[in-house]
Amino acid sequence: DAGVTQSPTHLIKTRGQQVTLRCSPKSGHDTVSWYQQALGQGPQFIFQYYEEEERQRGNFPDRFSGHQFPNYSSELNVNALLLGDSALYLCASSLGSRGQFGIQYFGAGTRLSVL
Amino acid sequence: EDKVVQSPLSLVVHEGDTVTLNCSYEVTNFRSLLWYKQEKKAPTFLFMLTSSGIEKKSGRLSSILDKKELFSILNITATQTGDSAIYLCAVEAGNYGQNFVFGPGTRLSVLP
Repeated sequence: DAGVTQSPTHLIKTRGQQVTLRCSPKSGHDTVSWYQQALGQGPQFIFQYYEEEERQRGNFPDRFSGHQFPNYSSELNVNALLLGDSALYLCASSLGSRGQFGIQYFGAGTRLSVL
Repeated sequence: EDKVVQSPLSLVVHEGDTVTLNCSYEVTNFRSLLWYKQEKKAPTFLFMLTSSGIEKKSGRLSSILDKKELFSILNITATQTGDSAIYLCAVEAGNYGQNFVFGPGTRLSVLP
């Protein structure tokens, strides 16, 4: 049974570019959440997708957007990259009621470096 | 603003020692508190706590929640080098679980 998988594992971009990160949830899970983890800090909640809609959103600008597909996989898009966007981006999946997080299972993340 | 604080931020012990990690929170409409272990990249789930005073145990690890004083502790007995990791505390809050807030983590190093 595959857990949460994310791609790519590493990515290097320059300021102003756009990036797309991908996540496949654990089998049977229908809710996907995205987190940004800067070096030496705890993960920060970006947003959550359930039933192909953004249900919750943390304190992140509109440059951060996402999508969930009918098979529950998800993408995170970041436009107009800034140096401060360099971080580990974690995807987590769960099976829960609408809008709730429940027990989340995390992927290994995508390490984004913005030069 | 919802906030989760952990202490200590860093801890170095020797194998066999017992450690206690602390997590306190200030959130609106608390729903649950979770502990995760992060060794390299992917945080792995340890415990989910929703009720005060009920200890959860898994092997050498245990955790308890105090909803009156707004804190939780994670205990690890007879530590092993494999326990070396960052331990993250997170709180789900909001009327409909609208926010999930992590603390900064405690970096535990267990020396042989």
